[in-house]
Amino acid sequence: EVQLVESGGGLLQPGRSLRLSCTASGFTFDDYAMHWVRQPPGKGLEWVSSISWKSGTIGYADSVKGRFTISRDNAKNSLFLQMNSLRAEDTALYFCAKGRMTKIVVVTSDAYDIWGQGTMVTVSS
Amino acid sequence: DIQMTQSPSTLSASIGDRVTITCRASQTISSWLAWYQQRPGKAPKLLIYQASSLESGVPSRFSGSGSGTEFTLTISSLQPEDSAIYYCQQYNSFSPTTFGQGTKVEIK
Repeated sequence: EVQLVESGGGLLQPGRSLRLSCTASGFTFDDYAMHWVRQPPGKGLEWVSSISWKSGTIGYADSVKGRFTISRDNAKNSLFLQMNSLRAEDTALYFCAKGRMTKIVVVTSDAYDIWGQGTMVTVSS
Repeated sequence: DIQMTQSPSTLSASIGDRVTITCRASQTISSWLAWYQQRPGKAPKLLIYQASSLESGVPSRFSGSGSGTEFTLTISSLQPEDSAIYYCQQYNSFSPTTFGQGTKVEIK
């Protein structure tokens, strides 16, 4: 079964750091770009970051650039999001998602065919 | 960034009705558009990619059309399990990917 499972969310104060993980199974992980998308409570979807299959191309939304770092470990079928200097507006359910096409270079030009169930990040004093 | 505007924001329809949701892009995106369904408490599910290609396993009552700046998602015969929020997403390679604000489909 093709599956993505996120972990690492929690409640923390503004300015702190958190690392999210996403473990993949059921597909050849290192053939696909991977993505993080977030959804604030009661609101819509916002793209956060993307990484190509060999980590050669990375993209970030302006709202997280310079604070968040995406990475992947293909040997462990894992995707990560290091989140620093967290703000209240980062409060959201964070989804990892698999790109639909294999070995694409332009990581923003893809739809997402598999999503995890999400991990909640709450930033509050 | 490219802005995606969906209409309507909410619609209410009866079982068996034909339902259409529109998504407009602030600039041309060719056919680089996807549609997702999100049921309450669940992750989004890909329905349509490249504007009109049906994702494997998605019922054939769902269809997509359009190119350039105007796109539609049609449900040919609304079913109870179609009650959800629907999002469009543009993935033009020259711009960060963006989503529409969502359309909530309710069953009368």
